[in-house]
Parts: sequence; structure tokens; C-alpha cells
Amino acid sequence: ETGVTQSPTHLIKTRGQQVTLRCSSQSGHNTVSWYQQALGQGPQFIFQYYREEENGRGNFPPRFSGLQFPNYSSELNVNALELDDSALYLCASSLGAGGPADTQYFGPGTRLTVL
Amino acid sequence: GDSVTQMEGPVTLSEEAFLTINCTYTATGYPSLFWYVQYPGEGLQLLLKATKADDKGSNKGFEATYRKETTSFHLEKGSVQVSDSAVYFCALTLTGNQFYFGTGTSLTVIP
Repeated sequence: ETGVTQSPTHLIKTRGQQVTLRCSSQSGHNTVSWYQQALGQGPQFIFQYYREEENGRGNFPPRFSGLQFPNYSSELNVNALELDDSALYLCASSLGAGGPADTQYFGPGTRLTVL
Repeated sequence: GDSVTQMEGPVTLSEEAFLTINCTYTATGYPSLFWYVQYPGEGLQLLLKATKADDKGSNKGFEATYRKETTSFHLEKGSVQVSDSAVYFCALTLTGNQFYFGTGTSLTVIP
């Protein structure tokens, strides 16, 4: 059973550009959540997808968008990058409809630097 | 809004010392509570969880009890090891589709 994988590991972009981050869920998991973790801070919830539909969203602007595909892999897209978007982006997959007792399995993250 | 507050770090302990990391929460309902651990160079891993009041989560010698009356979920371990050095995050969710994490507490255990 493979765990959650993310690509790329590191990414450098300039302000105003767009970026796409990718996540492959753990086998059999149909729910994926994305988080932003600034240096020295805890993860901040961006959104969650369940069976290709957005199932919850945190306090992030619309330029943060996502997709979940039929194979349950997922993308996080960020448009019009700002310097404050520099962070570690984590995805986490879980089995089920994202119930409160579901265990989330985290990927290693993508480190995004915006210059 | 819903939130988690955990004790400031960093925490430095000698091996075999007793560990407590405080976590309190604010929630509009009855959340599920979690402790996650992030070892150096690795991703977040679930350490333990509790889904209702008075439940005790435990794993790898760590314990935390869901206290509704004090809105707390403090993490404890009776005897820490060097291998426990990591960053610990307290988290909650009400519905499972939105999670709130604390800012993390860095623990260093010295031999």
C-alpha cells in the first residue's frame, strides 16, 4: 500500500505567476484535504474534496482552487501568487466522507517559495 | 470561531522526564480532538485522537484525555526518549470537513 505522495518537492515562482501542486492519495481513499503551513506555524486548512466535489473550505481567497480526479488524485492551483503564499503545502487523504473520526494521512508536502 | 491554543515552545527535557504539552480548544459544538507529530524531515503523523468527552487517546506511551469541562486535551508521556524529539500539533474538527491546528510545540529530548 503506497502512502500519500506529493509533487514537486520544491518549487520557486515569482509574484503574479500561477502554480499547480499535485497529490496522490493513499490507495482507496476518496477524501483529500489541502493545508498551508507557514514557517513555524501550524497547518491552515484550505479545502477538502470528497468524490470530486468540494466538501469544505477554509478562509482562503478564490485564487486558491482545487480539483479531485476520478482516481482520487488531486491538484491545488494558486493564481496571482503573492509573497505570503510562500509556505509548505500539505495534502492529506482519508477514507470515507471526511467524518470527524476519520484519520488523515499526510503527504510530505511541497515547499513553495514566491520571489 | 473554532480554534486550538497550545503551549508555546520550545520545550527541552532530559531523557526519562515527564512531558506535558497543554492544549485548549474553543468550539461551537463537540469536536473530535487530535494530536499529530512531525518528526524532523518527515510529514505529519497522527499520534492519537479522542472523539467524545472523557475519551482517552493513547499511542506509543503518549496519552491525552478529552476534558469537556476544561475544554482541554493535554498531551502527556511519563518518560520521554530522545526519539520523541519532534514538533507536536493539537487539532480539532467538528464535522470532519474542516480541521483547525495549533501552532505546534517543538520538543527536544537530550540524553
